[in-house]
Amino acid sequence: EIVLTQSPGTLSLSPGERATLSCRASQSVSSNYLTWYQQKPGQAPRLLIYGASSRATGIPDRFSGSGSGTEFTLTISSLEPEDFAVYYCQQYGSSFTFGPGTKVEIK
Amino acid sequence: QVQLQQSGPGLVKPSQTLSLTCAISGDSVSSNSVTWSWIRQSPSRGLEWLGRTYYRSKWSNEYAVSVKSRITINADTPKNQFSLQLNSVTPEDTAVYYCARGAHPKGYDYWGQGTLVTVSS
Repeated sequence: EIVLTQSPGTLSLSPGERATLSCRASQSVSSNYLTWYQQKPGQAPRLLIYGASSRATGIPDRFSGSGSGTEFTLTISSLEPEDFAVYYCQQYGSSFTFGPGTKVEIK
Repeated sequence: QVQLQQSGPGLVKPSQTLSLTCAISGDSVSSNSVTWSWIRQSPSRGLEWLGRTYYRSKWSNEYAVSVKSRITINADTPKNQFSLQLNSVTPEDTAVYYCARGAHPKGYDYWGQGTLVTVSS
């Protein structure tokens, strides 16, 4: 099973700042089958990025994904108030596993 | 617009069977291009994929190793829905359960509203 590790656990930032979230895999994720989700309290996860770097439908361009193999990054270029949430990476190259999440909180 | 509507009890006794249903609108459970999954979330286990069903000329199911001996996912084509059954539950199975559409390689693009299932006597 591929284990995903996310860092940092919590990111304290102000609106307008840049957020950089990391996701590391215990083995190479095939074909960049790496997705990112955003989750707000009481809501289901929302798809942001698939294939490591492609934005899902309706996702603002301030969200971008990069990386390959075992190292992946989600970047939010300038935080909006609605972006404060928990972010999860997920791989589906070998079964399906999720990372533990990074909470982006208001500083 | 695809919508997934979950239904089922929020309280299950230990050793009994957890049963949830996910009704689909805006798509077909028999679609050849997507899959239908159950995912749960708890503070102790985080987000955990449980299994999926999909149709590619015939029906197929795949289950997580952690629940493989206890889980069944079925599709109901006349009702356009799919279901989860998890047998012999324990308090460790207490979680929010989600159904979701897998549009891989595009990930899980539509999710149900979530159902908190508590396992307690």
